[in-house]
Amino acid sequence: EAGVVQSPRYKIIEKKQPVAFWCNPISGHNTLYWYLQNLGQGPELLIRYENEEAVDDSQLPKDRFSAERLKGVDSTLKIQPAELGDSAVYLCASSRSGVNTEAFFGQGTRLTVV
Amino acid sequence: AQSVTQLDSQVPVFEEAPVELRCNYSSSVSVYLFWYVQYPNQGLQLLLKYLSGSTLVKGINGFEAEFNKSQTSFHLRKPSVHISDTAEYFCAVISGGGADGLTFGKGTHLIIQP
Repeated sequence: EAGVVQSPRYKIIEKKQPVAFWCNPISGHNTLYWYLQNLGQGPELLIRYENEEAVDDSQLPKDRFSAERLKGVDSTLKIQPAELGDSAVYLCASSRSGVNTEAFFGQGTRLTVV
Repeated sequence: AQSVTQLDSQVPVFEEAPVELRCNYSSSVSVYLFWYVQYPNQGLQLLLKYLSGSTLVKGINGFEAEFNKSQTSFHLRKPSVHISDTAEYFCAVISGGGADGLTFGKGTHLIIQP
C-alpha cells in the first residue's frame, strides 16, 4: 500500500511570491490533515477534512492561506503571498474516519522563504 | 480543549541504558493517546497507541508506554536504547468525539551517546 505522498519535498521562494503544496492521501482514507511544523516544535493543525468538507480550519490564517480537497481525495495547500515567517515544514496526514484511527504522515514539504 | 505537555525538550542517554520520555495530557473527556517518532528529514511514524483496555501498551522497536488516568500521563519507555533510536518523539492526544482533531506535544529529542 502506498503511503501519503507529498510534493514538492523542498521549495525555496522569495517573500511575497505564491506557493502551493500537494498531498495524495492513502487510498480509502476519508480524513486528511495539513499540519505546520516549525523547527524544534511539534506539528500544529492547520486544517482537517472529512471527505471534501473542511471540518476544522480554525487555525488556518485565512488572509493568506487556502486549501482545497476536490472530490475528497487529493488536497492542495496554498500560500499567497508568502512571508518570511512561513518558513517551516508542511505535513500532510490521512486516516480512516473515526477518532481512534492511526494518522499516517507524508514526508513533508520544507518551505524556505527568502 | 485538549493539550499535551512533554516535560523534557531533550534527553541524553547512553547506549544500552533505559530511557523514559514523559508526557502529560489535559482533557475533560475520554482520550486516545499516541506516540510518534520522527527521524531526520522524515515524516512521523506511529510507535504505539492507547485506545482502551490494558494500560500498558507495547509498540514497535521495543518501546512501551503506560496510560495513567489519575496522573493524566502517558510516559514512553524502552529498557535498552540503541544508536538508531536517536530521533524526535512526539506525544499526541485526541479526545472525546474527535472534534479537536489530533493535538501534539512539542516533542522530545532523544540523543543516544555511545
